[in-house]
Parts: sequence; structure tokens; C-alpha cells
Amino acid sequence: AQKVTQAQTEISVVEKEDVTLDCVYETRDTTYYLFWYKQPPSGELVFLIRRNSFDEQNEISGRYSWNFQKSTSSFNFTITASQVVDSAVYFCALSEGNAGNMLTFGGGTRLMVKP
Amino acid sequence: KAGVTQTPRYLIKTRGQQVTLSCSPISGHRSVSWYQQTPGQGLQFLFEYFSETQRNKGNFPGRFSGRQFSNSRSEMNVSTLELGDSALYLCASSWDRSNYGYTFGSGTRLTVV
Repeated sequence: AQKVTQAQTEISVVEKEDVTLDCVYETRDTTYYLFWYKQPPSGELVFLIRRNSFDEQNEISGRYSWNFQKSTSSFNFTITASQVVDSAVYFCALSEGNAGNMLTFGGGTRLMVKP
Repeated sequence: KAGVTQTPRYLIKTRGQQVTLSCSPISGHRSVSWYQQTPGQGLQFLFEYFSETQRNKGNFPGRFSGRQFSNSRSEMNVSTLELGDSALYLCASSWDRSNYGYTFGSGTRLTVV
């Protein structure tokens, strides 16, 4: 069965610091998809990125970057020069290739960015 | 374009009652899924509907059910409410079932007293 682990339950940083959120996954499928979502206090889950298992290229989007390593089953998320608006709960999720749109979420990491 | 709309936003029910939550997906999206979020269990998949058919179901008791209409709108129902059903219920929609990711609604916060 699939599983996603986010070992860091809570991280606190000061504005402008870089921060990395860890995500480790388990799956027996060779085809799978990994996601990161952000959940601000309003509750809505905001999509950040999707990665399929055949694409190990790292990705950068502004201050956000993602490091996908199949060898260690990890899909880590780094925020560079953090801002107060980055404060939220971040979820890593996995969807197996034959599971339709069923997502398995990690427990989430609460990021607090202090001014 | 309108996002995923969930109604009501907040709900308080008494133990033993039943409740129906509604979700209107983004126009054109045909896949709708539901998730339950609690502090203890985190985000858990409830079920997925596509073209009015349930395609996947999570590990929840039969008190949790859902349906999807021809316009892709979806409802979920919880019967005989228990205190442990208090949660944020999130609906998400997608074009199809190809794992391109969801757009989530803001959720319905259900409190059972």
C-alpha cells in the first residue's frame, strides 16, 4: 500500500531564511504521481506542483523549488527567502498510476515564518 | 472562472442526525472526490466519482455515501452522525482521471455535538 511521510510536523523560521520541507513516499507502482499542496488558514488546498515518476528533473518556480529523488523515494520542497505569507500547512501527496484521482496525503508540515 | 464551490461552509449537527454536503466542481470537470480532514487522522480519501459512477472508495463505514449528478455536481451524505465525524470535508474536482491534480474547494466544516 502507498504511504507518504512528512517527518517535520512544525517548522519555524525567520523571514528571508531558506527552508526545506521533507517528503518520503512508499509505493509498489512504477507509475505514480507526486504533489505538493499548500493549506492556508482559510482551509482550501492550493495546488503547487505535480511530478510523475518518470520525470526526475528538479523544478524551480520563483522562490519555490522541488527535488525529486527516486533513489531515496523523496520529493522535497524548498522555499528560498521565506516570507510571512508562506506561513501555512504544506502537504505532500501521492497518487498511484492505476488509482484514478485518489490521493494519499502525508501528515503535513506547519510552516511558521516570523517577521 | 469559478472555482470549486462547497456548501454550506459551516454546519453544526447533533449526534444521530444525518447531513448532506454539496460540491459544485469547476465547469467542465467531470471527476469529483471527497476528503475528510481531522487533527488526528489528517487528510483521508473518502470517494471519487466520475461520470456519475463511484470509481474509488476509501476506508470509511457505510454511513458515508455520495453521489454525482449528470451536471457533475456531487453530494455526500453521512447518516447517524457520531462525534468523531466532526471534520473539515473537502471536495476536489479534475477534468478526468488522469492524475493531473485537483482543484480543491474551501471545504465544509462539520461539527457534531
